[in-house]
Amino acid sequence: AQSVAQPEDQVNVAEGNPLTVKCTYSVSGNPYLFWYVQYPNRGLQFLLKYITGDNLVKGSYGFEAEFNKSQTSFHLKKPSALVSDSALYFCAVRDTGGFKTIFGAGTRLFVKA
Amino acid sequence: DTGVSQDPRHKITKRGQNVTFRCDPISEHNRLYWYRQTLGQGPEFLTYFQNEAQLEKSRLLSDRFSAERPKGSFSTLEIQRTEQGDSAMYLCASSWGQGPDEQYFGPGTRLTVT
Repeated sequence: AQSVAQPEDQVNVAEGNPLTVKCTYSVSGNPYLFWYVQYPNRGLQFLLKYITGDNLVKGSYGFEAEFNKSQTSFHLKKPSALVSDSALYFCAVRDTGGFKTIFGAGTRLFVKA
Repeated sequence: DTGVSQDPRHKITKRGQNVTFRCDPISEHNRLYWYRQTLGQGPEFLTYFQNEAQLEKSRLLSDRFSAERPKGSFSTLEIQRTEQGDSAMYLCASSWGQGPDEQYFGPGTRLTVT
């Protein structure tokens, strides 16, 4: 069965510092991996995805994520956090053999000025 | 491109009543998804359409839930005999393509069952 774990309910970081939001996954086959962001009073927005190839994926707003097959992880990173990055971040996984996308419980990122 | 729209945005109903929600995807999108989200949780997959065909449905979905996408455009999600546990945000998303797609989400319909 597919599953996604986001081990941190909240991540706090100072503006200008690097940030990491963690995600681990479990699928039976090869994974498609996604990050989405939810700003207050707005719908979920796509950030980036991993399909195959280069393990470092670059996405919107300066975010990137690193796929690590041996650790079954897909951590979201940004070199320099902005206050405006404060939001709820969701990791998601889809098995290459199906259409069902499984989302993690979310990690709230708080960037302090 | 006006984005994914959902109607109504809020619905309050009494236990035992039936409710129907509508989703209008982005016009050229062939894929449509329904999710349910409760407080503190991520979206939970309910069902998936490719054009008008319902290709996958969560085993968690009871017989009280049904979804349609009759002409491959808008979709409806109906919940019969609502229960208090059905209170949640119901999200619709759409996408285009054959492969691993980034989904575009609507604002959701918040259902409260009293």
